[in-house]
Amino acid sequence: GAGVSQSPRYKVAKRGQDVALRCDPISGHVSLFWYQQALGQGPEFLTYFQNEAQLDKSGLPSDRFFAERPEGSVSTLKIQRTQQEDSAVYLCASSLNSKLNTEAFFGQGTRLTVV
Amino acid sequence: GQNIDQPTEMTATEGAIVQINCTYQTSGFNGLFWYQQHAGEAPTFLSYNVLDGLEEKGRFSSFLSRSKGYSYLLLKELQMKDSASYLCAVDLNQAGTALIFGKGTTLSVSS
Repeated sequence: GAGVSQSPRYKVAKRGQDVALRCDPISGHVSLFWYQQALGQGPEFLTYFQNEAQLDKSGLPSDRFFAERPEGSVSTLKIQRTQQEDSAVYLCASSLNSKLNTEAFFGQGTRLTVV
Repeated sequence: GQNIDQPTEMTATEGAIVQINCTYQTSGFNGLFWYQQHAGEAPTFLSYNVLDGLEEKGRFSSFLSRSKGYSYLLLKELQMKDSASYLCAVDLNQAGTALIFGKGTTLSVSS
């Protein structure tokens, strides 16, 4: 596709429910990033993939958060047993290669609301 | 820890010039990005500075001083559509790991 695509755009989950958020990066982009953006805040780093390898997951807030990119393309961010503090916009970004001085292109995000 | 500071809000009028400042204290530095984010939309790339000095791109310019840990984004001939959040982000190293973002500056442009 022309840009980074994320689905769903909006997700409402009941507390305790598991959710899966999908990111389709720009074709051929090596690097993929997940960010969490709370209302009125800047994006906060969650995890980074280079192709299928998850090179940095230091930003994942707890072991309820899990991300994968098994074939080095589409990525899924899974949140188990969601809690209200997980409510945020989850942004995915991809960049062409492993050096971040190529700009990262962001998707529109998935707005997760946990009720 | 990593610290990136920006003003929370700024206001300006159409046609004016506004400067959004960003100061940073980070464990590493390989460059600084500015992104624009309209409400409910994805951040979009504006500029990238790795060397000291001013980078000009149309109505937008970005400045970096590495020794001072300081950058600014300069917006000229403001238009209503420039009302958005402006995010300063630091690239910590060359290995391709993530950007660290500031909290963003919400700019409101009025007529």
